[in-house]
Amino acid sequence: AQKVTQAQTEISVVEKEDVTLDCVYETRDTTYYLFWYKQPPSGELVFLIRRNSFDEQNEISGRYSWNFQKSTSSFNFTITASQVVDSAVYFCALSERAGGYQKVTFGTGTKLQVIP
Amino acid sequence: KAGVTQTPRYLIKTRGQQVTLSCSPISGHRSVSWYQQTPGQGLQFLFEYFSETQRNKGNFPGRFSGRQFSNSRSEMNVSTLELGDSALYLCASMGTAPDTQYFGPGTRLTVL
Repeated sequence: AQKVTQAQTEISVVEKEDVTLDCVYETRDTTYYLFWYKQPPSGELVFLIRRNSFDEQNEISGRYSWNFQKSTSSFNFTITASQVVDSAVYFCALSERAGGYQKVTFGTGTKLQVIP
Repeated sequence: KAGVTQTPRYLIKTRGQQVTLSCSPISGHRSVSWYQQTPGQGLQFLFEYFSETQRNKGNFPGRFSGRQFSNSRSEMNVSTLELGDSALYLCASMGTAPDTQYFGPGTRLTVL
């Protein structure tokens, strides 16, 4: 069964600190996608990144970086030099194809508070 | 391109009533999925529509239904509302980018 675990429920950091959000997943499939979404207080889930199971290259986008390690089934997200605007709930998600249909499982989210 | 839009943004209903929520996907996207988000259960998948056909369904009672129109706009209906239906209902559309869903701002439903 597929499962996504975000063990950190809430994290508080002071502005300009680096912070890493953890995501561990379980799947039996060899082909799958992993995602991170940001949900600010307004409620909309904002797509941040997609990574397929065959691409273990780490990715950096500005202050954001992602570390995908299949050996540990982890897809961690680091924000460098955090800012108050980074305060939000962050969701990790796993997408598989089951019976030809997409099945998406979301983690429970990590609430990040960046204190000025 | 305009993003996913959902109307209304906020809704207050009483138990026993029914409600219809609307979602307009990103132009060109043919897949629309609906999710329910609550503090206790997190994000739960309701159903997905593609080309006017429901092609996937989550574990929700039959009171939750949906449909999709030829222009890919989708509606979700909840009949005989219960207090536990109070939630943020999110709609997501998907185009050609593999398995990537783009979400709307949600409709916050409060059932009194």
